[in-house]
Amino acid sequence: EPEVTQTPSHQVTQMGQEVILRCVPISNHLYFYWYRQILGQKVEFLVSFYNNEISEKSEIFDDQFSVERPDGSNFTLKIRSTKLEDSAMYFCASSEGDTPYNEQFFGPGTRLTVL
Amino acid sequence: QQQVKQSPQSLIVQKGGISIINCAYENTAFDYFPWYQQFPGKGPALLIAIRPDVSEKKEGRFTISFNKSAKQFSLHIMDSQPGDSATYFCAASNSGGYQKVTFGTGTKLQVIP
Repeated sequence: EPEVTQTPSHQVTQMGQEVILRCVPISNHLYFYWYRQILGQKVEFLVSFYNNEISEKSEIFDDQFSVERPDGSNFTLKIRSTKLEDSAMYFCASSEGDTPYNEQFFGPGTRLTVL
Repeated sequence: QQQVKQSPQSLIVQKGGISIINCAYENTAFDYFPWYQQFPGKGPALLIAIRPDVSEKKEGRFTISFNKSAKQFSLHIMDSQPGDSATYFCAASNSGGYQKVTFGTGTKLQVIP
């Protein structure tokens, strides 16, 4: 069964450093998303991406964040200068279409720890 | 107005019992209400979903009840099993929102033998 994969599973970084989180969406999916989950809290939408453009972003997704699809398979989330409050689990998701009825498939997540 | 409120925060149910998780929303633009199941170390996975034009949807032991006028919906897990122990998130989205999913705060369910 196809699945979304994410690397690394755990990333530890120093405050102020840049990190890149990587995702490989399901191959025939066209819509890509990043969510984050601070420990013990709800899952929060960050950004959606389609046709090499951001479709929608939340207020959390400020200028420190960027997304990119550098090739035909990877989808990345970059945080330019990490803050302590960026520590969270980051989930990538993908879907075939952009209606709510197209299921979003989530990856296992990358746990980011900012020291 | 974008929030989805969920209760309880945690729930302990005996094996074979009924687990009930409740959610409420404010934004009337929401037109799709999925429930996600999350096991430790895994991402959320779609469990069951409902559109507001129906009041109930059942899939196996899982049932969503939907009250559009009250802007409330709930998940019922019948004959709860230890394997159902997970965190459950209600969620909402609207067809004009590029599938942005707004999640509830989550309910940690423990089913004890």
